[in-house]
Amino acid sequence: DAKTTQPTSMDCAEGRAANLPCNHSTISGNEYVYWYRQIHSQGPQYIIHGLKNNETNEMASLIITEDRKSSTLILPHATLRDTAVYYCIVRSFGNEKLTFGTGTRLTIIP
Amino acid sequence: GAVVSQHPSWVICKSGTSVKIECRSLDFQATTMFWYRQFPKQSLMLMATSNEGSKATYEQGVEKDKFLINHASLTLSTLTVTSAHPEDSSFYICSARQDGASGNTIYFGEGSWLTVV
Repeated sequence: DAKTTQPTSMDCAEGRAANLPCNHSTISGNEYVYWYRQIHSQGPQYIIHGLKNNETNEMASLIITEDRKSSTLILPHATLRDTAVYYCIVRSFGNEKLTFGTGTRLTIIP
Repeated sequence: GAVVSQHPSWVICKSGTSVKIECRSLDFQATTMFWYRQFPKQSLMLMATSNEGSKATYEQGVEKDKFLINHASLTLSTLTVTSAHPEDSSFYICSARQDGASGNTIYFGEGSWLTVV
């Protein structure tokens, strides 16, 4: 699977939109972009995934660039409970595994 | 979203004993489940892939005789840490793949804290 690059940490003010970038310049055509988050001492929580179109669900929006080499996860109105480590993972449809990098530690500031 | 449940949430065991952790997919069938281990302040490391009705596939460096995995049904996989030692103390997390048309999403359990004393 393609490797991803994320900033180590980010801060965001409560109530503002949190925009988390991810670079995946070596992504191939059959690879999806997945986002998970892990709140301290819990298992990872699935957020969203996409292939090439932008996606939105009740938790977040995923914006994928046209060349698919990068993406941005958007939490529209961040709350304190969104403080977590966010993982961007690229995985092909036929590949079973999710391989975790170091992620971005997002801190929501009151 | 789909629910994956782990039991127990935390366990303390004596060195040299074995401990079993269960992973259940509550509202979907999972042909494939995964077991991860996470040490403090580190990312998740995949230990093995568990396939229903067949032997698990272990990642390089993971001892299959120490970490026994059984996936006897489409909703249950178990991880048994045999002859546990203090260095096995960790956060163990399972996940299950939900088969479907859109990306075969994988969902995670709440994790199980193992402390070996």
